[in-house]
Amino acid sequence: QVQVVQSGAEVKKPGSSLKVSCKASGGPFRNTAVNWVRQAPGLGLEWVGGIIPVFGTANYPQKFQGRVTITADESTSTAYMELSRLRSEDTAVYYCARGTKLDHWGQGSLVTVSS
Amino acid sequence: DIQLTQSPSSLSASLGDRVTITCQASQDIGKSLNWFQQKPGKPPNLLIFDSSNLETGVPSRFSGRGSGSDFTFTINSLQPEDVGTYYCQHSNNLFMHTFGQGTKLEI
Repeated sequence: QVQVVQSGAEVKKPGSSLKVSCKASGGPFRNTAVNWVRQAPGLGLEWVGGIIPVFGTANYPQKFQGRVTITADESTSTAYMELSRLRSEDTAVYYCARGTKLDHWGQGSLVTVSS
Repeated sequence: DIQLTQSPSSLSASLGDRVTITCQASQDIGKSLNWFQQKPGKPPNLLIFDSSNLETGVPSRFSGRGSGSDFTFTINSLQPEDVGTYYCQHSNNLFMHTFGQGTKLEI
């Protein structure tokens, strides 16, 4: 049974960086895509980027290019999403979703950016 | 970039109703279109993949169809637990993902 467990809630200052983790168990890790999707309060779903661990190279939408870095550690079956130069608009729940179908999701990590 | 336009943005229906949501892509995406349900405070849950395939464990009252740029998602015989927000979603051959803006369903 596939399980995806994310790190906990965080409060960050504007201009700082954020790193969220996503640990997978119960299924193959290295050749299964890991995607990050965020949801601002009251709004819809927004893809932040993704990686297939065996390839090591992540894809990002233009909006986040240069500000987000997604990595994967095969030794611990854990993926990470790092977002820099945080601003208030980055306040959101960040989800990790595995697979090209996004068929297994983590519980979400609430990130609040506030001075 | 491919854009997905869902309609309606919200709807209210009665128990037992048949509900239909549409999703239009800005270009031909074949059958590469998935549907998710999200309940408040929870992550999205995959219901339909590749336009019309029911994900394992999903009730058969949910269905999807379409290809190219026009897709529909249907709930037959609406149940109380179907309240939530529904999203269409597409991933291209570079594994880049796009979501529709969502349809909030109330009873």
